Amino acid sequence: DAGVIQSPRHEVTEMGQEVTLRCKPISGHDYLFWYRQTMMRGLELLIYFNNNVPIDDSGMPEDRFSAKMPNASFSTLKIQPSEPRDSAVYFCASSLAPDLGGELFFGEGSRLTVL
Amino acid sequence: DAKTTQPNSMESNEEEPVHLPCNHSTISGTDYIHWYRQLPSQGPEYVIHGLTSNVNNRMASLAIAEDRKSSTLILHRATLRDAAVYYCIPPMNRDDKIIFGKGTRLHILP
Repeated sequence: DAGVIQSPRHEVTEMGQEVTLRCKPISGHDYLFWYRQTMMRGLELLIYFNNNVPIDDSGMPEDRFSAKMPNASFSTLKIQPSEPRDSAVYFCASSLAPDLGGELFFGEGSRLTVL
Repeated sequence: DAKTTQPNSMESNEEEPVHLPCNHSTISGTDYIHWYRQLPSQGPEYVIHGLTSNVNNRMASLAIAEDRKSSTLILHRATLRDAAVYYCIPPMNRDDKIIFGKGTRLHILP
């Protein structure tokens, strides 16, 4: 398997623009997680899905952020409108049964810069 | 909230063993203990996990205290490539959320 695939790897955009980050989890994994990492706040869990259903979105910063998982092989994280404080590396990870010891596999991340 | 306590940073010499401690006093009987690490400019990667017994894999060993309120990640012979932030994951308390704290930044001296 190719692992968790994220795109784009880098994105530079201007404040107010819409940003869409994409993630393809490992085939067969039924959990998908979106994290955000900054120097100030570290690695934050934004939202996670189980069997394509959002389970906990309490980490989503505000209404400008939304995430979807239309099928088992694809998820998006959208920011509309984007702001400079959204600049961060966004990671997607997938897993089988994390509460039973299943490990998370991370993608390489999408580095977002909002000017 | 379930939390872990780790030193902010540690230093070790190359080719020497490294013992990275973690306290997780709120752990329940069914919580696994997970460790991840993050190399520079990469996403986190799984290192090891355990429940009650000590565990070994190709990357590291995990020593779990008898009361399970603490654990130690052991790198038997640290190399420069082991320089990373090591995260001990807080107990999930039957949740599926894997939360990352600040971790321990490990510096390896040549």
